[in-house]
Amino acid sequence: ETGVTQSPTHLIKTRGQQVTLRCSSQSGHNTVSWYQQALGQGPQFIFQYYREEENGRGNFPPRFSGLQFPNYSSELNVNALELDDSALYLCASSPASSYSPLHFGNGTRLTVT
Amino acid sequence: DQQVKQNSPSLSVQEGRISILNCDYTNSMFDYFLWYKKYPAEGPTFLISISSIKDKNEDGRFTVFLNKSAKHLSLHIVPSQPGDSAVYFCAARASNTGTASKLTFGTGTRLQVTL
Repeated sequence: ETGVTQSPTHLIKTRGQQVTLRCSSQSGHNTVSWYQQALGQGPQFIFQYYREEENGRGNFPPRFSGLQFPNYSSELNVNALELDDSALYLCASSPASSYSPLHFGNGTRLTVT
Repeated sequence: DQQVKQNSPSLSVQEGRISILNCDYTNSMFDYFLWYKKYPAEGPTFLISISSIKDKNEDGRFTVFLNKSAKHLSLHIVPSQPGDSAVYFCAARASNTGTASKLTFGTGTRLQVTL
C-alpha cells in the first residue's frame, strides 16, 4: 500500500511569485486536504477536496487554491507569495468518513525570500 | 482563538516510565479526537483516536482518555521507549461541519524519553 507522497520536498521562492505543490493520495482514499504548519505551531487546515471539488476551507485567502484530479491526486497553488507563507505544507488523504484518521505526507518545506 | 491547547511545550521522561501528555479544548462541538506523532522531516503519523461516545481507548502501549465535562484529553504511553521521542499533536474534529478532513490541532508537546 502506497502512502501519501508529496513533491517537491523543499522549495525556495521570491515574494510575489507563484508556487504549485503536488500530492498523491494513499490508495483507496478519495478525500484530500492541505495543511500549513508554521514554525512552532500545529498544522492549520487550508481546504479539502472531494470528487474534484473544494468542499471545505479554513481561514486562508483566495490566493490559496487547489485542484483534485480523477485519480485523487491534488495540487496546492499559492499566488502572490508573501514572506509569511514560509511554512511546511502538508497533504493528507482519507476515506470520506468523519471517523477515519487523516494520513499525512512528509510535506513540502516552502521558503519565501 | 486557540480551540485546542497543549499547555506543555515539552516533557522529559525516563525510559520505562509513564508519559502523560495533556490537551484541552474549548469547542463543545468537537466529537472526535486524535493524537499524532511527528518526527523531524516527516509528516504527522496517526497514533490513536477516540470518539466522544467513549471515555477511553487503548492500543498497545498507548491509551487515550477523554473527559468531556472538563473538555480534556490525555495520552498515556506505558512503558515509554527512546523511539517515542517526538513531537505529539492533539487534534479535534467537529463532524457536524460536513468537512471530514478539517482537524484543529494543538501546538504540540515535545516528548524526550531518556535512558
